[in-house]
Amino acid sequence: TQLLEQSPQFLSIQEGENLTVYCNSSSVFSSLQWYRQEPGEGPVLLVTVVTGGEVKKLKRLTFQFGDARKDSSLHITAAQPGDTGLYLCAGPSRSASKIIFGSGTRLSIRP
Amino acid sequence: SAVISQKPSRDICQRGTSLTIQCQVDSQVTMMFWYRQQPGQSLTLIATANQGSEATYESGFVIDKFPISRPNLTFSTLTVSNMSPEDSSIYLCSVEAPGQVFDEQYFGPGTRLTVT
Repeated sequence: TQLLEQSPQFLSIQEGENLTVYCNSSSVFSSLQWYRQEPGEGPVLLVTVVTGGEVKKLKRLTFQFGDARKDSSLHITAAQPGDTGLYLCAGPSRSASKIIFGSGTRLSIRP
Repeated sequence: SAVISQKPSRDICQRGTSLTIQCQVDSQVTMMFWYRQQPGQSLTLIATANQGSEATYESGFVIDKFPISRPNLTFSTLTVSNMSPEDSSIYLCSVEAPGQVFDEQYFGPGTRLTVT
């Protein structure tokens, strides 16, 4: 069974601080995706990483795919209240045409 | 990309009743997915719905409880039958559609269901 575990589960920090969210698995994934979900909305795709060791940047967000393609991290620099939300990593299932979602990290940025 | 709408956006229902949730996509898609998201939790896949065939249900979900229709390539419904308070959750419709580089999954805004 492919599982994606995220840590931390909850994170509350002050505006301007940096943070890192982790997504780990014992299984290899062909790619991993990161989504952000705000209250009352569905998740929105932020990025897809495909190559082991790949780093992608989206403004203040930096995403990295582990060399072995079993883990990924999301680093936010100088967090802002608009970064508040539920962050989900996800990867394609090997055995079926579906996506497996991680356990989620709920991020709260205090002004 | 794909734009997805869901109806209703929220509802409060009495136990023992049923609610049908509608999902409309602005383009034709092969695969549609229904998820459940309990408060503060991640997403759990209920079933995959392909047009012209029966939905494929994940472990722990059955057709009698969550019947799904997929009459065409832009529309699907999920019914939550014989509801109990444990069914209180957000129900999300999702589709896979071409993105900038890869196929991407797009989500509707969700239906927030409260069962009393």
